[in-house]
Amino acid sequence: DSGVTQTPKHLITATGQRVTLRCSPRSGDLSVYWYQQSLDQGLQFLIQYYNGEERAKGNILERFSAQQFPDLHSELNLSSLELGDSALYFCASSPVITYNEQFFGPGTRLTVL
Amino acid sequence: DQQVKQNSPSLSVQEGRISILNCDYTNSMFDYFLWYKKYPAEGPTFLISISSIKDKNEDGRFTVFLNKSAKHLSLHIVPSQPGDSAVYFCALGSQGNLIFGKGTKLSVKP
Repeated sequence: DSGVTQTPKHLITATGQRVTLRCSPRSGDLSVYWYQQSLDQGLQFLIQYYNGEERAKGNILERFSAQQFPDLHSELNLSSLELGDSALYFCASSPVITYNEQFFGPGTRLTVL
Repeated sequence: DQQVKQNSPSLSVQEGRISILNCDYTNSMFDYFLWYKKYPAEGPTFLISISSIKDKNEDGRFTVFLNKSAKHLSLHIVPSQPGDSAVYFCALGSQGNLIFGKGTKLSVKP
């Protein structure tokens, strides 16, 4: 158990809908990262937050957004969902922004029908 | 263009033998190199790492080698065990951000 929790574990929804994925980092970790893993793909970095502020953006679509709250939990919002958004979404956390080891949650499997 | 490549999608090894997983990269900016292991239905878990100032780091059965001139990273598992069967990702880091390879699925047969 990495100490990072993600909810829900599974999510099934329809095209055009909007969903919110939630992540609670390890106790004391200030940095949160979101990744997408599609079929046969590696982990694609989406976005990073540090202590409530956005710090880095990767391959995140404009239909996707995220935020980190004062209690350090983070939410990833996916809107106008398309079939191709079906994937595993992982959250990871680390103590500080320059610490290279990240601790991953179990992931949320999103299925868009 | 992929910055990090794991050219072997899968690898099958006999129990007790050595498993060698490889990773190539194109950009010299990375200063930290990591290997993660992933079982089905779980998130990746950190396995071993090496900084750019070293060329080898060992932790039990796991050894990571870094060849900066060749821009090549490898993970050796000796001896391999059936419980090592998983997908292995290399991840290259700079200032806390990681770029992952697509993974190599290792199968260790009894």
